[in-house]
Amino acid sequence: GAVVSQHPSRVICKSGTSVKIECRSLDFQATTMFWYRQFPKQSLMLMATSNEGSKATYEQGVEKDKFLINHASLTLSTLTVTSAHPEDSSFYICSAEHNEQFFGPGTRLTVL
Amino acid sequence: AQSVTQPDIHITVSEGASLELRCNYSYGATPYLFWYVQSPGQGLQLLLKYFSGDTLVQGIKGFEAEFKRSQSSFNLRKPSVHWSDAAEYFCAVEDGGSQGNLIFGKGTKLSVKP
Repeated sequence: GAVVSQHPSRVICKSGTSVKIECRSLDFQATTMFWYRQFPKQSLMLMATSNEGSKATYEQGVEKDKFLINHASLTLSTLTVTSAHPEDSSFYICSAEHNEQFFGPGTRLTVL
Repeated sequence: AQSVTQPDIHITVSEGASLELRCNYSYGATPYLFWYVQSPGQGLQLLLKYFSGDTLVQGIKGFEAEFKRSQSSFNLRKPSVHWSDAAEYFCAVEDGGSQGNLIFGKGTKLSVKP
């Protein structure tokens, strides 16, 4: 089946720094990728839809200047959390669309 | 707005026992419905999906789900649970008006007793 990877799987950073998370489709091309955020004991919440070659579409309440999304190729989308704060600590999951959504393993972000 | 409710936060069953995980949805039209499983350190894996047709859907790993329009439900079932089924299970509905975005329930954690 289709495989989606995320890197890094776990990252700890200081408050005020920026963190980049990569999402790659390993054996297929994806014009559309999705970024989700999952809080403990909560559902996955869609943050944004990433379209190759165009601007991402953000969900209501998600700050596009804080969560920068770049989908520069058909196999790679990146999420950059800028000026991270402790409240940004969460589990970030991406998915890539290929007839259905295939999910990455997630990235655990901890902001100190 | 579309929503998905999974009433059970945590369920414990004995290995070999049957399982039913509940899912209710709110959607105006015929929904596209999904069940995913999330194991620690792994991405969400699609168990099964319903788009149309037969309301009883067969999935991987011996799971099945039944779409009941009258009850707005899409419950997941398995006749005999294995210890490896312990994981978090998410029900989702596709937001048809928004590029296929998925709306997830809060998940049900399944524990399996030996």
